[in-house]
Amino acid sequence: RKEVEQDPGPFNVPEGATVAFNCTYSNSASQSFFWYRQDCRKEPKLLMSVYSSGNEDGRFTAQLNRASQYISLLIRDSKLSDSATYLCVVARSGYSTLTFGKGTMLLVSP
Amino acid sequence: GAVVSQHPSRVICKSGTSVKIECRSLDFQATTMFWYRQFPKKSLMLMATSNEGSKATYEQGVEKDKFLINHASLTLSTLTVTSAHPEDSSFYICSAIAGQNSPLHFGNGTRLTVT
Repeated sequence: RKEVEQDPGPFNVPEGATVAFNCTYSNSASQSFFWYRQDCRKEPKLLMSVYSSGNEDGRFTAQLNRASQYISLLIRDSKLSDSATYLCVVARSGYSTLTFGKGTMLLVSP
Repeated sequence: GAVVSQHPSRVICKSGTSVKIECRSLDFQATTMFWYRQFPKKSLMLMATSNEGSKATYEQGVEKDKFLINHASLTLSTLTVTSAHPEDSSFYICSAIAGQNSPLHFGNGTRLTVT
């Protein structure tokens, strides 16, 4: 099993739709979790950190399930500008090991 | 918010030459910086972890003599691709953290093309 796995997609959704991505990780020692968004040929940009209690930022909600070892990202009311690749990042303590998922591509259409 | 500046954003060089890429944390001290490369339609691959004042830790399969990393200050790390070859053409990105368990902030990346 790969250390961090994501469905590559693409997820094709219409504007206004709600879409969710999951990211599974294999190492139970993982401590920090993040979602990044990357536009084509650009650097990744932090979307949100993922906290144990779950967290929300506007239309975006991130959750962590330690028992099942996955994190999720929910996007409500999708916008055209949400089209991008969403990377999950899993880190162990002090970033001793840092692993990126391959990313999930989201395409939002009018 | 925290900002990381990377320079140059794009470079084209001839095979056999060396290229230096700079990564600066602009408004915070970064004790640790990371260097990645990314091939088209692939995920980021960590190349090395750079700690200020000490030698970088390279990931398996990354040649330390080819990819020289220097982290001489808390705000600057450099990656030098020595004797570049066409297969080194890639998108190189740095990132930095302000403290343990802080999120990563990425530089804007450098697209290297070796002809």
